[in-house]
This record gives sequence, structure tokens and C-alpha cells, in this order.
Amino acid sequence: SQQGEEDPQALSIQEGENATMNCSYKTSINNLQWYRQNSGRGLVHLILIRSNEREKHSGRLRVTLDTSKKSSSLLITASRAADTASYFCATDAWGQGAQKLVFGQGTRLTINP
Amino acid sequence: DAMVIQNPRYQVTQFGKPVTLSCSQTLNHNVMYWYQQKSSQAPKLLFHYYDKDFNNEADTPDNFQSRRPNTSFCFLDIRSPGLGDAAMYLCATFYRGRPGANVLTFGAGSRLTVL
Repeated sequence: SQQGEEDPQALSIQEGENATMNCSYKTSINNLQWYRQNSGRGLVHLILIRSNEREKHSGRLRVTLDTSKKSSSLLITASRAADTASYFCATDAWGQGAQKLVFGQGTRLTINP
Repeated sequence: DAMVIQNPRYQVTQFGKPVTLSCSQTLNHNVMYWYQQKSSQAPKLLFHYYDKDFNNEADTPDNFQSRRPNTSFCFLDIRSPGLGDAAMYLCATFYRGRPGANVLTFGAGSRLTVL
């Protein structure tokens, strides 16, 4: 079953603006991750935030986590054309010996030059 | 560089003709995953291996099988592809047992077209 739901499904902004994507999930988590996927390619890990953390930064990325609302947001500041991609949140679930990541539907981000 | 490599990147097959997709990794990760991703959808986990232990997701169709002959390789076999199996198939790896290493490493994917 789908764990994460993301909004918006698609976001188009001008280069230099900030982009914010949101993710909601249903069950308790140990951590939440964000991944990026360029068109026709595999996913690349961006950032992980643990359930006991509220905010985390990595370069132009800022992730927040609100476990009481079961939601997370990814902020990309000063966007660039190269940030055009789909962004997925993923929550962890443990089953049969190994971690499994359950992905949200993703947000398709387009940065217009 | 250590990485996850999937072959072929693009596979075209006919309805009902078996297909095998491969994944190799040089990361020495003990967990390997196969995800199916249809257009504009989330990746969906099909199954994973933890070492040699195979773990099937409850809703993975019987048409999909997997083999892991050794640590480095994992195969996805689609016995009788249907039109609905057209998708990107993503392999990912993970090392269970290393503190803090909760991150999956993905291959570039194999895009399957069914005619």
C-alpha cells in the first residue's frame, strides 16, 4: 500500500526561485528520505532525516519533519535549471530481515530558465 | 567507482516472450531490491534479497521471478510479459548491518517495452 503522498504532483517555477514539496505518510517511521530522479534514470539519494530530528540541511536543500502530523517538506533554495527532475519521499519499513523503502508518488519539478 | 549496473538499459519484447533483466553491484551490499516503476508513478517494490534469502512482496505477480546466484548479481525474470508489465525496472542495493547506512543505491534502470 502507498505510504507516502506528495504534493504538488507537478511544480513549475522560474530559475532562482525556491521550490517546496510536501510529503505525508501514514505509519510510524524510523527515518524519511528524499530521492531525486532525472527523466529515464534511476533514483539518487538526497537527504535522510531521522524521526527524532525536526530539520536538516544539505547545501541548498532543507528538509523538515513533523512526526505529529506525519509530514515532511523538501525546500530547494535558489533553484537552477539542473534541478529539473522528479522528487520522491520514501519512508522505511522493516520486513523479513531487511529495510524496505516505500515511495510516494513524487513531485515533478520543472525549473524554467 | 563502486556502483550498481543494470542491463540492458532498454529491452523490447513481444507479448508473452520471456525477458531477463540483470543487475550487478560492486558495493558488496548484502541486500538487493527490484522495483517496478510505471510512467509517472512511484517505484513499487517487487521483492528483495537479504543475502540469499528471497523475500517476495505479497502483491507481486507470479509472472515475476528473481535469482541471486552470488552477492554481486541479481536477475529479474518476467516469464510471460503482458502489456501491463511495460515499465522501468529499478535495481537497488543496501548494506544491512552498517550503522547509519539506511540509504539505497540505485542503478540507472531497465526500460521494458512490450509489443
